[in-house]
Amino acid sequence: KQEVTQIPAALSVPEGENLVLNCSFTDSAIYNLQWFRQDPGKGLTSLLLIQSSQREQTSGRLNASLDKSSGRSTLYIAASQPGDSATYLCAVIPMFSGGYNKLIFGAGTRLAVHP
Amino acid sequence: DGGITQSPKYLFRKEGQNVTLSCEQNLNHDAMYWYRQDPGQGLRLIYYSQIVNDFQKGDIAEGYSVSREKKESFPLTVTSAQKNPTAFYLCASSTQGRGPGDTQYFGPGTRLTVL
Repeated sequence: KQEVTQIPAALSVPEGENLVLNCSFTDSAIYNLQWFRQDPGKGLTSLLLIQSSQREQTSGRLNASLDKSSGRSTLYIAASQPGDSATYLCAVIPMFSGGYNKLIFGAGTRLAVHP
Repeated sequence: DGGITQSPKYLFRKEGQNVTLSCEQNLNHDAMYWYRQDPGQGLRLIYYSQIVNDFQKGDIAEGYSVSREKKESFPLTVTSAQKNPTAFYLCASSTQGRGPGDTQYFGPGTRLTVL
């Protein structure tokens, strides 16, 4: 059974720091991995999607890497800003999920960036 | 504006009552999903639908029911059989439920509280 773990559960950093959020998954047979952002009491916004054949994706100050063989992904946030404060969720789509987009989520990392 | 709407934003239920959460999308997506989120946990799939008039149980379907009579709408009913319904409920949609690369787009969520 696929399980997704995110470390750390919470992180507080001063503005301007570069930081790394970690995601690990137990079964390397995945179609893709996604990183989402969730603001308090809100829905999810997709940040980056990495297909299983890719090693990384970049969008602005965000860079996500994928090492499928070791079951790990990292989300790198450069020059963090207070507006980056949110919960970041990692999710995978297992290969053998019955033919539909079944996302398996981690519990998230709650990030606080203080001025 | 295209997107997913959920209503109401907050919902209060008395013990023993059934309540229905609304989810509407105008993205012309075939697939729709319902997730439940509890504090400090990732999202868990309740039900999904890949096409009109068809839906499948997810990982935690007990105590819930859905219908998919229209492409745009996927209401979720939380029945009195759901023993611990207090949670944040998120609806999502994607272009198709069968392809592994489709991004899921999420609504703003409904917070259900049992009194």
